[in-house]
Parts: sequence; structure tokens; C-alpha cells
Amino acid sequence: DAGVIQSPRHEVTEMGQEVTLRCKPISGHDYLFWYRQTMMRGLELLIYFNNNVPIDDSGMPEDRFSAKMPNASFSTLKIQPSEPRDSAVYFCASSPRAYEQYFGPGTRLTVT
Amino acid sequence: AQSVTQLGSHVSVSEGALVLLRCNYSSSVPPYLFWYVQYPNQGLQLLLKYTTGATLVKGINGFEAEFKKSETSFHLTKPSAHMSDAAEYFCAVTRGSGGSNYKLTFGKGTLLTVNP
Repeated sequence: DAGVIQSPRHEVTEMGQEVTLRCKPISGHDYLFWYRQTMMRGLELLIYFNNNVPIDDSGMPEDRFSAKMPNASFSTLKIQPSEPRDSAVYFCASSPRAYEQYFGPGTRLTVT
Repeated sequence: AQSVTQLGSHVSVSEGALVLLRCNYSSSVPPYLFWYVQYPNQGLQLLLKYTTGATLVKGINGFEAEFKKSETSFHLTKPSAHMSDAAEYFCAVTRGSGGSNYKLTFGKGTLLTVNP
């Protein structure tokens, strides 16, 4: 299995621009999670999906963040407009059971 | 609510020495416990997990951890460190059976360095 695939691996953008991060979960996994990792706050759960349906988005920082999962093999996390404080590594994880999560390699986002 | 405390943000050992990374948790319900490893510029990889049953769990790369309910601990050990073990290690907890066990609470991580 290829594991969780994320793209791009690195993204550098200017403040105010729209950023879209992409994730392909492991085939057959019913759960998908988006996390953000920073030095200050560690790993934070942003949102998770079960069978393509958003279940808990309480970790999404504000309305500038949105996530979708149009089908079982694809999800996006969008930031519009981006701000420098959004700079972080964003991880996608998928799971066959909610608690056993398999992480992708992450997208390192830098907003200047 | 759950919480995780990893004692020591940085642990340094010599190659061949015992590795001991400490994790204490707080949970109002029986927990599920995990150790993840993160190599530089990579995602987190599941090392091992405890859900139910045997309290000593073995994981990949020769690591093991023991769930001690009385001490609320889940320390990670490896008898002999290898240079390739250098990475950051995260302990995580979630509630056990009974629903809502998707929300992993992570510790702040312990950076392990291995000296030749």
C-alpha cells in the first residue's frame, strides 16, 4: 500500500493568497483526519471525517479554514485568505478504526 | 478529558544503551495508548498501541511499552539503541471503548538523540 499521500509537500505563499492542501487516504480507511503541527502548540486536530462526512470540526481555527471530502479517496483543506500565523506542517491521517491513525508525510506551509 | 505528559523533551543515549522514554497520562475512562515516531521531515509512524489485554506491548523496531494502570504510565523502552532510532517520539491517549475514541491527545514529544 502506498500509504497516505499528501500534496504538495512544501508550499510557500504570500499573505492573502488561497492555499489548498490535498490528501489521498489509504484505500479502505473510513476515517480521515487533518492535523496541524507547530512548535508552539504541538499537534492539533483540526477536523475529521467518517465515510466522507465531517463529524467534528471544532478544531478548525476560524472561518478562513475549510475542509471537504468529496469521495472516499480524496480530501482538501483550504485556507482563504492565508496569514503568516498559518505557517505550520499540516498532516492528513487515515484510519480503519478511529483510534488507529496512519499519517501522511505532511505539507510544510510557509506564508510570508 | 485526557492529557499526556512526556517527561524530558530531549533524551540523549549512547549507541547500544537502554532507551527509556517516559509517558504519563490522565484519563477519566480506560484509555487506549499509543507511541508514534517522527523522523525528520516525515509524518508520524505508529510504533505500538495498547487497547486491551496484555499490558506489555511490543512494537516495531524492537520497541516495547508497558501499561501500568496504578502508575498511569506507558513508558517506551528499547534494550539497545541504534543510530537509526534518532527521532522524535510522541505518546498519545484516547478514551477506550465507549465511543468518541478518535480524538488522540498527544504529548509534546521527546527528541531522542543517539551518540556513537
